[in-house]
Amino acid sequence: GESVGLHLPTLSVQEGDNSIINCAYSNSASDYFIWYKQESGKGPQFIIDIRSNMDKRQGQRVTVLLNKTVKHLSLQIAATQPGDSAVYFCAERTSGSRLTFGEGTQLTVNP
Amino acid sequence: GAGVSQTPSNKVTEKGKYVELRCDPISGHTALYWYRQSLGQGPEFLIYFQGTGAADDSGLPNDRFFAVRPEGSVSTLKIQRTERGDSAVYLCASSPGDLSGELFFGEGSRLTVL
Repeated sequence: GESVGLHLPTLSVQEGDNSIINCAYSNSASDYFIWYKQESGKGPQFIIDIRSNMDKRQGQRVTVLLNKTVKHLSLQIAATQPGDSAVYFCAERTSGSRLTFGEGTQLTVNP
Repeated sequence: GAGVSQTPSNKVTEKGKYVELRCDPISGHTALYWYRQSLGQGPEFLIYFQGTGAADDSGLPNDRFFAVRPEGSVSTLKIQRTERGDSAVYLCASSPGDLSGELFFGEGSRLTVL
C-alpha cells in the first residue's frame, strides 16, 4: 500500500543565490535557539546559535535573526552552494537543557 | 574518534524482541541526550542524563523504553517488546553540560522493526 509520511517544507535556490529559511517557535520563555543542518543518513550538525537577549548573530556565510515579538527565527545563507543542500532544523531550549526541534526545511541548491 | 559514536548503525529486529542501542559520548561531556527521529520529522526528545542520573526522562513514550548511564560516560537505550511503531533513527547527543547549549550529535542508530 501507499506509505504515508510528512512532507517537509522545501526551498529550492540557484547556486550563488542567498537562501532564507524560516521557523516559528512555540514557547515565549525559550532562552536559546539553534540551527542544525542534517544531510541524508547523518546526524544533525550545528550551524549557528543565538540567545534570547540578541536579535541577530552572524557566522561564516550564515546569519540568524530572532524576532521574539512574533516568535520567529530565520537562517540566512549567503552565496548558497551545492554542499548546503540538506534539511535544516531550528531548535529552541524550552526547559532545562533539552532542545525541542521544529519540523525542518529541505533546501535544494541547483547548480 | 573525537565525535559521538553510536552502535549499531543499523538494527533490524522482529516485533516483540528486545533491543539495545549504545552511545559513546565525546570524552569529558557530562550531559547526554537520546532523541528519536522518524522519517520526515525533526528529532524528538526522549531522555537527558547529567552524569549518571536521568535528569529528565519525560520524553520516553512508555515503560518499554529505558536508558542507563552507569558510569557517567557510555549510555545504553533499551527497548523491550519492540513494536513496528518503534522503527526510527535513534540519535544520541552530548554536551559539556555547562548549559552552553550546543548538542553534538552522533550519526544515529536506524532501528527497523518487522
